[in-house]
This record gives sequence, structure tokens and C-alpha cells, in this order.
Amino acid sequence: DTGVSQDPRHKITKRGQNVTFRCDPISEHNRLYWYRQTLGQGPEFLTYFQNEAQLEKSRLLSDRFSAERPKGSFSTLEIQRTEQGDSAMYLCASSRDRDGNQPQHFGDGTRLSIL
Amino acid sequence: AQSVAQPEDQVNVAEGNPLTVKCTYSVSGNPYLFWYVQYPNRGLQFLLKYITGDNLVKGSYGFEAEFNKSQTSFHLKKPSALVSDSALYFCAVRSYGNNRLAFGKGNQVVVIP
Repeated sequence: DTGVSQDPRHKITKRGQNVTFRCDPISEHNRLYWYRQTLGQGPEFLTYFQNEAQLEKSRLLSDRFSAERPKGSFSTLEIQRTEQGDSAMYLCASSRDRDGNQPQHFGDGTRLSIL
Repeated sequence: AQSVAQPEDQVNVAEGNPLTVKCTYSVSGNPYLFWYVQYPNRGLQFLLKYITGDNLVKGSYGFEAEFNKSQTSFHLKKPSALVSDSALYFCAVRSYGNNRLAFGKGNQVVVIP
């Protein structure tokens, strides 16, 4: 099967602008996750969807962040009024997980740079 | 709360020698443990997992890991390292019913030809 696809791979924007990232999970994977990874650190959980329902959000996900998965397939992550601290790699992962024991499969990420 | 510690920032090993990357975890209840590898400017690639059963689990590319409940450890091992194994390795944990993975900060592995 094809892997998790993320678009764009890189995004450079000015502080204060809005950005939107897209994630296409592995087909038939019902679970979709967003993580953020900063330099020298492991990924940090942001949010999780089961089908179209957003079931969990981290405290890292401030009110400037919003994620959707409208039809239970692809997902978007939007950041409004970007700040310097938003510069990071944003990773999407998906899994077909009924028992909690399946691995999450990651895309190659979107690297966001705030000027 | 769930967390992972990867105590070494970098592991250097000569090609052909055994490779070990250390991981200890903290979680309430039974752990689900995972190892991932990351190459530059790429996402994380799944290597192996421990859910239940045998403490020694085998994964992709000749990697294996040993689960030790008493020491709360899940060290990654490879009998003979290749130069192509040079990458960033992440250990991750989650507990049953918890959907979020908690990652360590990663270990940079450098295999010297």
C-alpha cells in the first residue's frame, strides 16, 4: 500500500500568516494522528482522530491550531497567526487499530519555517 | 503519565560490531513499546513493537529488542551494524487505552566504516 502522504513538504511564511497542511493517511486506516517535532526532540502528540471524530487534543494545541478530518479520510491542520515558536516539523501518522497494538505509520512531515 | 528516557545522545559503533540503543520507560499499566528510525528530512519508520508474549522481539533490517519488565527497559539491538544504520532512533511507549505515543528524545547512531 502507499504510505502516509503529507503536503507541502516545506512551508516558509512570515509571522502572523495562516498556514494549512494536508495529510492523506494509508487507505482504510481509521485512525489519524498529528505530532510536532522540534530540532533535537522526539515527536510530541497534538491530536488524534478516529474516522471523522477528533477524540483527543493535547494542551500543545492552542486555540490558534485547528485540525479537521471531514470525511474520515484526509486531514488538515491549520495554524492561524503563526508565531516564531511554531517553527517545527509537523508529522502525520495513521493506523488501523482496533486493539491498541498496531504501530502508527508516519509521513515524511511538513517542515514549517516562520520568518 | 507515560514517558521514555533515552540516556545517550549519540552512539558510535564500528561497522560489523554489535549495536545497542538504550531505552527505559514509565507508564501506568502494561506498556506497548515501539522503536522507530528517522533518516534526515524524513518521517519516522517503524522497526518493531512489543505488545505481549516473548520478551525478545524481532523487527525489520535485522533489529531486535528485549523487553525487561523489572528494569522497565526496551533496548534495541543489532548483532552486526552497517554504515546504512546511521540514523536517529526513537523509542516510544503508550499504555492500553491511551492513543498518544510518548517518544524519547532520540539517539543518533553513527556507524563508522
